[in-house]
Amino acid sequence: GAVVSQHPSWVICKSGTSVKIECRSLDFQATTMFWYRQFPKQSLMLMATSNEGSKATYEQGVEKDKFLINHASLTLSTLTVTSAHPEDSSFYICSAGLAGRTDTQYFGPGTRLTVL
Amino acid sequence: TQLLEQSPQFLSIQEGENLTVYCNSSSVFSSLQWYRQEPGEGPVLLVTVVTGGEVKKLKRLTFQFGDARKDSSLHITAAQPGDTGLYLCAGGGKLQFGAGTQVVVTP
Repeated sequence: GAVVSQHPSWVICKSGTSVKIECRSLDFQATTMFWYRQFPKQSLMLMATSNEGSKATYEQGVEKDKFLINHASLTLSTLTVTSAHPEDSSFYICSAGLAGRTDTQYFGPGTRLTVL
Repeated sequence: TQLLEQSPQFLSIQEGENLTVYCNSSSVFSSLQWYRQEPGEGPVLLVTVVTGGEVKKLKRLTFQFGDARKDSSLHITAAQPGDTGLYLCAGGGKLQFGAGTQVVVTP
């Protein structure tokens, strides 16, 4: 149990285009999901907390207009990177926790974004 | 923000050797988690420690939570090449991560 999927697993896009990444909890409902960004050989950096039915909470320094998050249902959160630029190239990972628990997160397999 | 410091940053050992990874903070955590991540994949939860002084074992991996709940350690006995990966500790309500320890076990 507690499986989280991401789609796509990798994407290459041109500079200036927008890219949508989906995060799904497959066998449980998640009122809260988290989005992380990871650069090569570095740890995960929390970008935002996605709350079902309400606005996402962004960490300091993360542009909310650049990284749009929508949590439309209890099993799906999406991250849209708008007007992507090469510096947005990174490994994006989502996670979801069991209801009422944020201390234990189950992670998706990640999405590799490359912006040309 | 509760900061977690991991040490060492990198560890390269031979198969059969033991290793220990440390996770330290000046803050008290209600729980700490350990994850292992392989290249191109998301982190996989290994264990959650909750009680100060707690010791948990997962096959050849032993996890310990400090009495004051400010630090934790991961000890691997007789490491195998399959143990190679990035080991991450994490804690806090927003699950802040340490910088990670890259472990490489060579045959």
